[in-house]
Amino acid sequence: ETGVTQSPTHLIKTRGQQVTLRCSSQSGHNTVSWYQQALGQGPQFIFQYYREEENGRGNFPPRFSGLQFPNYSSELNVNALELDDSALYLCASSQQGTQETQYFGPGTRLLVL
Amino acid sequence: GESVGLHLPTLSVQEGDNSIINCAYSNSASDYFIWYKQESGKGPQFIIDIRSNMDKRQGQRVTVLLNKTVKHLSLQIAATQPGDSAVYFCAENLPSGFSGGYNKLIFGAGTRLAVHP
Repeated sequence: ETGVTQSPTHLIKTRGQQVTLRCSSQSGHNTVSWYQQALGQGPQFIFQYYREEENGRGNFPPRFSGLQFPNYSSELNVNALELDDSALYLCASSQQGTQETQYFGPGTRLLVL
Repeated sequence: GESVGLHLPTLSVQEGDNSIINCAYSNSASDYFIWYKQESGKGPQFIIDIRSNMDKRQGQRVTVLLNKTVKHLSLQIAATQPGDSAVYFCAENLPSGFSGGYNKLIFGAGTRLAVHP
């Protein structure tokens, strides 16, 4: 176990709705990264948060947004859900540095109908 | 482009055999590489990592080899067991100077390892 937790484990939403996913980082880690993993593919980087600010973003539209809190936990918010947003959403925590391993949580499985 | 690709989508081996999973990465500037194992319904689990100043690193039953000349990474699993059945991902870390100010982890699509008794 990595110590990274995510909630909820599963979620079903309909197109157009909004969703909030949560992540608690491993003790001692100050950086959280979020990934989207479609079925049969590798994780795709969404964004990274460090010191409560977004410090890196992948090729995802602005309707994907996030927050990081003083205790380093984080939220991923997705507005105006689309069918293609159905995926496993992973968060990973790490300690900011030049070469730091990211440790993943179990993920949240989102299904958009 | 950004890609870490795996040559074989599925690898089938007999229990007790050695397994080799290969990976090609695309960024010469990548300075750190990680292998993850992902079982069905779970998040990726760290297996082993290697820095770019090394060409080999060994763990318990696993060895990672790095060939920077041809931008190739491999994971060797000795005496493969049924519990090793999973999807394996390699990931490369692009340092902050090349990715806009943050360390960027780029994953490939994965290789499924199937271990038969």
